[in-house]
Amino acid sequence: GAVVSQHPSWVICKSGTSVKIECRSLDFQATTMFWYRQFPKQSLMLMATSNEGSKATYEQGVEKDKFLINHASLTLSTLTVTSAHPEDSSFYICSATLTSGNTDTQYFGPGTRLTVL
Amino acid sequence: GDSVTQMEGPVTLSEEAFLTINCTYTATGYPSLFWYVQYPGEGLQLLLKATKADDKGSNKGFEATYRKETTSFHLEKGSVQVSDSAVYFCALSSGIQGAQKLVFGQGTRLTINP
Repeated sequence: GAVVSQHPSWVICKSGTSVKIECRSLDFQATTMFWYRQFPKQSLMLMATSNEGSKATYEQGVEKDKFLINHASLTLSTLTVTSAHPEDSSFYICSATLTSGNTDTQYFGPGTRLTVL
Repeated sequence: GDSVTQMEGPVTLSEEAFLTINCTYTATGYPSLFWYVQYPGEGLQLLLKATKADDKGSNKGFEATYRKETTSFHLEKGSVQVSDSAVYFCALSSGIQGAQKLVFGQGTRLTINP
């Protein structure tokens, strides 16, 4: 149980185009999902907190107009990289929070590798 | 702000060796502490956690103790296996219940040779 999927697992796009990445909790409902970015051999950096039915909360330095987040249902959050540029190439990882009693646990997706040419 | 520092890798050990991966943190308040593991081609998985000082988290033979006095949460295993080869991330959580933001260390790549 507690499986999180991401689609696509990798994508290559041209500079200036937009790319949408989906994050789904397959067997549980998640009020809160998170989006992270990971550079090669570096740690995960939190980009934004995605709450179902409300606007995402972005971390300092993350452009909300560039990284559009939509949390349309309790099992789906999407990250759209708009007008992508080569510097946006990275590994994007989402997580979904499962609440059990008074304990929250984050379950992570396998990640999406974005390459912008 | 909050931060996590892990020992730099990569770490290479022989099967059945003793493992320690150091992790120290800086945080305001009383964070919860976690170790996540990422096997090749897979997402991060929660390995163990501790929510208050002196708690010991354990799973799959791995252990870590929340040491408030040294702000540490070192990961240990007495006898590693080839299947333990993965990247290990130490993390802390801050924020209110239901908005558990994680701050990660840089990750330590572990390779176990038979």
